[in-house]
Amino acid sequence: DADVTQTPRNRITKTGKRIMLECSQTKGHDRMYWYRQDPGLGLRLIYYSFDVKDINKGEISDGYSVSRQAQAKFSLSLESAIPNQTALYFCATSSHTEAFFGQGTRLTVV
Amino acid sequence: TQLLEQSPQFLSIQEGENLTVYCNSSSVFSSLQWYRQEPGEGPVLLVTVVTGGEVKKLKRLTFQFGDARKDSSLHITAAQPGDTGLYLCAGVSADRGSTLGRLYFGRGTQLTVWP
Repeated sequence: DADVTQTPRNRITKTGKRIMLECSQTKGHDRMYWYRQDPGLGLRLIYYSFDVKDINKGEISDGYSVSRQAQAKFSLSLESAIPNQTALYFCATSSHTEAFFGQGTRLTVV
Repeated sequence: TQLLEQSPQFLSIQEGENLTVYCNSSSVFSSLQWYRQEPGEGPVLLVTVVTGGEVKKLKRLTFQFGDARKDSSLHITAAQPGDTGLYLCAGVSADRGSTLGRLYFGRGTQLTVWP
């Protein structure tokens, strides 16, 4: 079983729709992250959480929201999807020295 | 602006050549990591360096952390086609303030090694 599991793996949605990406981890780490990856831009941080009661905005949080339901679960929502949110999204969990990534969710907004 | 500047962005070389990828910042990091990513997959950790001046070797890969813990390099000796991939550096911020503990990534270096 994967250490970090993201669902769905692929999603096509229409402009204006609400969509949720889910992430669960079995590493037992407190820190969890959501990143967005676009060609040539590397991984950009959307939100991060250092424990269940801690939620922080990253570099590009506008248009996104998150929920930390438990230590092992961290979901990302797009309240009203727009085409420029088309990207590859990664969830990660980390210790102080190592991050573990999910396999990514490829989201297309049409 | 990118907290971690990674260079070069693209690198295309012949099998057997050596190469170096750089990761630079004006900020201090408590640790710095190098990842490799294959298309359609998440990044996978290669190494973590935590001490200023530290050098780690992983077969033909040599990683170095700068003395001031602000920069790092990845050197590959005698590159092989199997080394092809996206190499990402990432650092855990040591700045006292709102960014303490955040994990930042560089934009990556896309390496292609031709047979």
